Amino acid sequence: SYELTQLPSVSVSPGQTARITCSGDVLGENYADWYQQKPGQAPELVIYEDSERYPGIPERFSGSTSGNTTTLTISRVLTEDEADYYCLSGDEDNPKVFGGGTKLTVL
Amino acid sequence: EVQLVESGGGLVKPGGSLRLSCAASGFTFSNAWMSWVRQAPGKGLEWVGRIKSKTDGGTTDYAAPVKGRFTISRDDSKNTLYLQMNSLKTEDTAVYYCTTGFIVGATRMDVWGKGTTVTVSS
Repeated sequence: SYELTQLPSVSVSPGQTARITCSGDVLGENYADWYQQKPGQAPELVIYEDSERYPGIPERFSGSTSGNTTTLTISRVLTEDEADYYCLSGDEDNPKVFGGGTKLTVL
Repeated sequence: EVQLVESGGGLVKPGGSLRLSCAASGFTFSNAWMSWVRQAPGKGLEWVGRIKSKTDGGTTDYAAPVKGRFTISRDDSKNTLYLQMNSLKTEDTAVYYCTTGFIVGATRMDVWGKGTTVTVSS
């Protein structure tokens, strides 16, 4: 099985740009999706197929992939963006895997 | 309205079994790829397994920690997904979410239930 690695935490001030990375060999061959999860809630899809924004997600959220690293970028961060963010990857014929998650703190 | 509602969670002893259900509505269930994702208390998300639609083969895939102990099945006539969990371990304690792809494609996970809690403890 493969792994996806995320930093446990990222902190930014309101209005700044947050970059959350996810690394793993599987990313070189498969798309990544990003999920946002707030306390007590189910996860919500924010970015799919590396860079496609899910309907209803603000344009401040964007995704990109280079080699074996995929990045979720949140521009002009708001306090409401404070949440846990998880990457997910894998193909249609094998198990998928989540990254360990990154807690975004908006100071 | 697209909706997934999980049920069947509860307290079970190590080594025991439990079957979770996920009732689906608001979309064509028979065309959907359905997945289970779990989250242990205070921990991250963990992909558990998936079942494809029958038209795509109806095959299943499982994460390594549950392979051989958990079985995913579906009843398209009842619009219901199941997760049969056997030989349960304390580390299986988690909230179990049912999820599927709806807006952005059958293979993604963009609709989620609220989850059902499974506690494995003696």
